[in-house]
Amino acid sequence: EVQLVESGGGLVKPGGSLRLSCAASGFTFSSYSMNWVRQAPGKGLEWVSSISSSSSYIYYADSVKGRFTISRDNAKNSLYLQMNSLRAEDTAVYYCARDRPKYCSGGSCYHTAFDYWGQGTLVTVSS
Amino acid sequence: DIQLTQSPSFLSASVGDRVTITCRASQGISSYLAWYQQKPGKAPKLLIYAASTLQSGVPSRFSGSGSGTEFTLTISSLQPEDFATYYCQQLNSYRFTFGPGTKVDIK
Repeated sequence: EVQLVESGGGLVKPGGSLRLSCAASGFTFSSYSMNWVRQAPGKGLEWVSSISSSSSYIYYADSVKGRFTISRDNAKNSLYLQMNSLRAEDTAVYYCARDRPKYCSGGSCYHTAFDYWGQGTLVTVSS
Repeated sequence: DIQLTQSPSFLSASVGDRVTITCRASQGISSYLAWYQQKPGKAPKLLIYAASTLQSGVPSRFSGSGSGTEFTLTISSLQPEDFATYYCQQLNSYRFTFGPGTKVDIK
């Protein structure tokens, strides 16, 4: 059974840092791209960052670029999100999500969906 | 960046109703669109990917269609467990933007 378990959330002051972790099990972690998605209280979903299976490709939303760093440790089946210079608007539940196997055609491969999600961890940025 | 809009934002319906939600992209995204269902306090659940392919285990009353810039999610006969918020997501290009959501409530 695929399981994703986030941890590391909590209360932090503006300008502070936090490191989120996502422990994966039930699948070959090193074969999948992974993602972080967040949801502010009462709001919709916002994609935050993605990392390819070997960490060769990394992408960020403009809202977090330069402040957040995504990483993974395939030996530990773990995904991370280092969050620095936190702002009040970063307050949200943070989910890790697995990328569905890509669709490949004509030499190109495409993302199709996020098929498994963790339960989320709440990050609150407040003084 | 590709922007997604969803209509309606809110929908009130009864058990047994046929429900249709529309998602529009600001530019063509081929068929790289997914639909998710989210219930309060829970993580999103994948319903449909590649615009029209049903995720394993999802009831057949859910269906998706469209390509390019206009997509629809249809629930053929609304069940009590379907009252939730539905989001579309484009995966044609980074960044993987989500639509603003459609809340389906009990009439």
